[in-house]
Amino acid sequence: AQKITQTQPGMFVQEKEAVTLDCTYDTSDPSYGLFWYKQPSSGEMIFLIYQGSYDQQNATEGRYSLNFQKARKSANLVISASQLGDSAMYFCAMRELGFSGGYNKLIFGAGTRLAVHP
Amino acid sequence: NAGVMQNPRHLVRRRGQEARLRCSPMKGHSHVYWYRQLPEEGLKFMVYLQKENIIDESGMPKERFSAEFPKEGPSILRIQQVVRGDSAAYFCASSKSSGSGETQYFGPGTRLLVL
Repeated sequence: AQKITQTQPGMFVQEKEAVTLDCTYDTSDPSYGLFWYKQPSSGEMIFLIYQGSYDQQNATEGRYSLNFQKARKSANLVISASQLGDSAMYFCAMRELGFSGGYNKLIFGAGTRLAVHP
Repeated sequence: NAGVMQNPRHLVRRRGQEARLRCSPMKGHSHVYWYRQLPEEGLKFMVYLQKENIIDESGMPKERFSAEFPKEGPSILRIQQVVRGDSAAYFCASSKSSGSGETQYFGPGTRLLVL
């Protein structure tokens, strides 16, 4: 069965520093998608970044980058120049092949709570 | 361009009542997904629908829960005879297609509290 593991329940970082949030996954499917979402205290789920299993380069979106190591089955999120507004829960997710043959459901990790200190 | 809309944002029900949660996908999106988030946990998939069809309901409890996405109007997640364990945040997401790289965009969620 496919699985996402986030081993860091909580992380602290000083403002303006970089931080890496860990995510490992397990799948036997050769084609998959990996996503990171941010959930601030207000509760909404905000899409941050996507990495496809066949993408040659690591994904980047502004201050977010994804350190994708396929052989290790890891997809760590790197946030550069942390800001106070980055304090939130961060979820790693994988697109799972569904019954219909298409990729539909996302499976989520347990999340990492990031606190950015001034 | 409005995002995914969910209402109500907060819902309080007593045990045994029915809860009805609504979701309007983003414009141009015909794929809808429902997820449940228990306190301090990640989201868990419940059901995937396209217009008038349930494609995958493998994550939805067999009893008391049902979902629909009619030809016209929002998708509805219905919970009958709610129990305290149903208290959770219910998120709806939508996407344009079901490809592996297709991003699901989430609504703000409905927080259900069962007294």
